[in-house]
Amino acid sequence: DGGITQSPKYLFRKEGQNVTLSCEQNLNHDAMYWYRQDPGQGLRLIYYSQIVNDFQKGDIAEGYSVSREKKESFPLTVTSAQKNPTAFYLCASSFWAFGQGVNTEAFFGQGTRLTVV
Amino acid sequence: QKEVEQNSGPLSVPEGAIASLNCTYSDRGSQSFFWYRQYSGKSPELIMSIYSNGDKEDGRFTAQLNKASQYVSLLIRDSQPSDSATYLCAANSGGSNYKLTFGKGTLLTVNP
Repeated sequence: DGGITQSPKYLFRKEGQNVTLSCEQNLNHDAMYWYRQDPGQGLRLIYYSQIVNDFQKGDIAEGYSVSREKKESFPLTVTSAQKNPTAFYLCASSFWAFGQGVNTEAFFGQGTRLTVV
Repeated sequence: QKEVEQNSGPLSVPEGAIASLNCTYSDRGSQSFFWYRQYSGKSPELIMSIYSNGDKEDGRFTAQLNKASQYVSLLIRDSQPSDSATYLCAANSGGSNYKLTFGKGTLLTVNP
């Protein structure tokens, strides 16, 4: 089945720890995205990537890092510099129509709930 | 900063009524617009995409796009209690930027 897989579903982080959230897609999508959602809030963009080895900072990139070594994978590391990391993290992917400025529909993984303990 | 704004909720409608959800965007170059539904504790699921001015219908859902007014709306006809969820509007940034930005969402409650 094609789709986006995020793991783990739940993650607990101790103070000062770095943790990495996994996102894998087998939809052959070009673009991948990481969003953060806090209770009662919309989705805020952390990082996004169009092609392998290239990514852009979103609106709230501080304290986060990403890599895009493979088209299928876009892991997010929450570093110790992120002072308030407790949130619901969502990964998404879509096709990107080069030269037309058009995204096709983005599909989401099931999310990872990160809690600081 | 390019933004997507949604009308503040929550929105409450009786079962069988039409629910109207609105969204404005600031980037005139945006070309792709989406409506997502998100149930509490779950990830967003796509309802509609729209790329051209006018209306697009899919079952009980109709998306409307007016690029001149930078306005996108979603109408839900014959609303059902199962439609109770948060609805998120999204738009990409124009030109070569594939950034996909979401609004804060509107919570819809359909009362039986």
